[in-house]
This record gives sequence, structure tokens and C-alpha cells, in this order.
Amino acid sequence: DAKTTQPTSMDCAEGRAANLPCNHSTISGNEYVYWYRQIHSQGPQYIIHGLKNNETNEMASLIITEDRKSSTLILPHATLRDTAVYYCIVRPLGSWGKLQFGAGTQVVVTP
Amino acid sequence: NAGVMQNPRHLVRRRGQEARLRCSPMKGHSHVYWYRQLPEEGLKFMVYLQKENIIDESGMPKERFSAEFPKEGPSILRIQQVVRGDSAAYFCASSSGQATGELFFGEGSRLTVL
Repeated sequence: DAKTTQPTSMDCAEGRAANLPCNHSTISGNEYVYWYRQIHSQGPQYIIHGLKNNETNEMASLIITEDRKSSTLILPHATLRDTAVYYCIVRPLGSWGKLQFGAGTQVVVTP
Repeated sequence: NAGVMQNPRHLVRRRGQEARLRCSPMKGHSHVYWYRQLPEEGLKFMVYLQKENIIDESGMPKERFSAEFPKEGPSILRIQQVVRGDSAAYFCASSSGQATGELFFGEGSRLTVL
């Protein structure tokens, strides 16, 4: 499976947009990009996923570059409750629920 | 609450005892996954089960660990003869089984081995 690279940590001011980058330069054509987050001591929470088109839902937007080698998760208006570890995961079609979680990005939203 | 239910939330065992962790998937889901998160580490896939079948157990330690998902009742992750290194948070997730369907995780069971 393709590996992902994310910054270790980042800070974001409350109310501002948080842009979380992810590199997945070895991604193949049948692999999706998924984002999950884990708020301290809780179970991971699904955020969004995409293949090659940009995606938006009530939580976030996902921007995937045309060559699909990187992507950005955007939290449009960060709140204190968005403080969490964010995981970018590449998931092959047919891999079912076997997700490879890396270290993720620790996002701290400050007042 | 229609989410993934795990119990117990916290479990303390002494070395050599057995630990049993239970997971009830979301309503309508028949695919269950177990993940382990060691202290200060990331989540690692352990096993994937469908009703009465183990589909992928490539992440399960070869000894002392077993999992089942019977026709009736919750999925069980069983750890025999626990050691201190088994202390971790164990998360269960469920899905509908669609190829790109998202996983819904429970709140985890935290095992402490004394």
C-alpha cells in the first residue's frame, strides 16, 4: 500500500481555516485517500475520502492534486473541538477495513 | 445509541489472566475489525471478521490472541495469559462491507496488565 507523509504537528487559530497537507507520491490508480481523526482517548472518526475529484461534506473539504501525489484536508472554520490527531490514509479498492494508520498530524486549535 | 459498542471500557488484569473484549457493530453492519493502539503509538490493524468467518488476521499476534464473531452476539477479542506488553487500547470498527465504505469506530477498551 502507498505510504503517506504528514507534518508532525500544526497549530491553528480558532475560527480560521486549517489546511492539513499529506503527501502520497506512490499512490496508484485504484487507491483512495481517506482522512480520519482521533480526539484524545476516543475512537477514530471518519472525516472524508476521495479518489481524484475534490470532495466536500459537512465536516471538511478534500483537495487532491491533479497528479494525485498529494492532498490537503481543509477544516473551514476550526473550533477548539477540532483539536485532534488527523490521519491521512491511502486505501486500495478492495482492502475493506484494513487501514494503515501512520503517526498523523497533531492539530491544536488555540483560542 | 446505534453506534459501535465496546465493553468493557476499562479492564485491569494481572499477568497470566485472560482478557475478553466485546464489540457490537452498528446496526446493519456485518463486518468487524479490531485495531490495537499501544501507548504513544499509532493504531495497528489486527483482524477482520464477518459473521462466523475470519477474513484477514494478518495483524494478530501468533500466540495468545484470538477473535471470533459468532452468528449471534458480539465479536470477541480474547487474549490469553496476558503480559504487560498487552496493555493498550483496543478499538473495534464496523462497516457495511462496501468496498469504499467508511469504518465506524467504537470508543475502545483500555486494557491494563499489572
